[in-house]
Amino acid sequence: EPEVTQTPSHQVTQMGQEVILRCVPISNHLYFYWYRQILGQKVEFLVSFYNNEISEKSEIFDDQFSVERPDGSNFTLKIRSTKLEDSAMYFCGRRLAGGNEQFFGPGTRLTVL
Amino acid sequence: DAKTTQPNSMESNEEEPVHLPCNHSTISGTDYIHWYRQLPSQGPEYVIHGLTSNVNNRMASLAIAEDRKSSTLILHRATLRDAAVYYCILRGGATSGTYKYIFGTGTRLKVLA
Repeated sequence: EPEVTQTPSHQVTQMGQEVILRCVPISNHLYFYWYRQILGQKVEFLVSFYNNEISEKSEIFDDQFSVERPDGSNFTLKIRSTKLEDSAMYFCGRRLAGGNEQFFGPGTRLTVL
Repeated sequence: DAKTTQPNSMESNEEEPVHLPCNHSTISGTDYIHWYRQLPSQGPEYVIHGLTSNVNNRMASLAIAEDRKSSTLILHRATLRDAAVYYCILRGGATSGTYKYIFGTGTRLKVLA
């Protein structure tokens, strides 16, 4: 199973600050996803990304969120002005072209104070 | 999004088989049935998926009812490492244009030594 890595493993920030979470790419993975899991709750879909474009997003993914993969480098999730309720585990998912399953990273724990 | 129903929790003795049920009565003809699991403090991990026929891999077996309205994940010999939350997820096929996962609350499997 392809290894998926995410950085940082834990991020602590003050409310209102910007954070960037990173997902390290593996060649042949063309489809990227972000999910989040608030402590004790379900895993929730945020956004899917393919060919440098958002292909699908949930209602959670509002104007405070953005994703990009500049120049084929890390796939990032940016939260512009964090709120207390953004505290959660954020998981990056990746899928091979033509593949069915998604491979998830170990997650980044975001704590907003 | 097609919905699945799973028991909240199940228990099994170590070294015994485990049958984890999932109901998905509103499944459409092109929906794939995916199973993931989430070990404590980790990201979701792919287990198995299928469309109509039963499937086997090194981790588990997937038995799909003939009408596809239910499925069962079978762990042939549970180990302590299999203690996790198991998610049954319906995912649209290629023509649906969506590969996002909608996670439910899953089944928390407890394995007793």
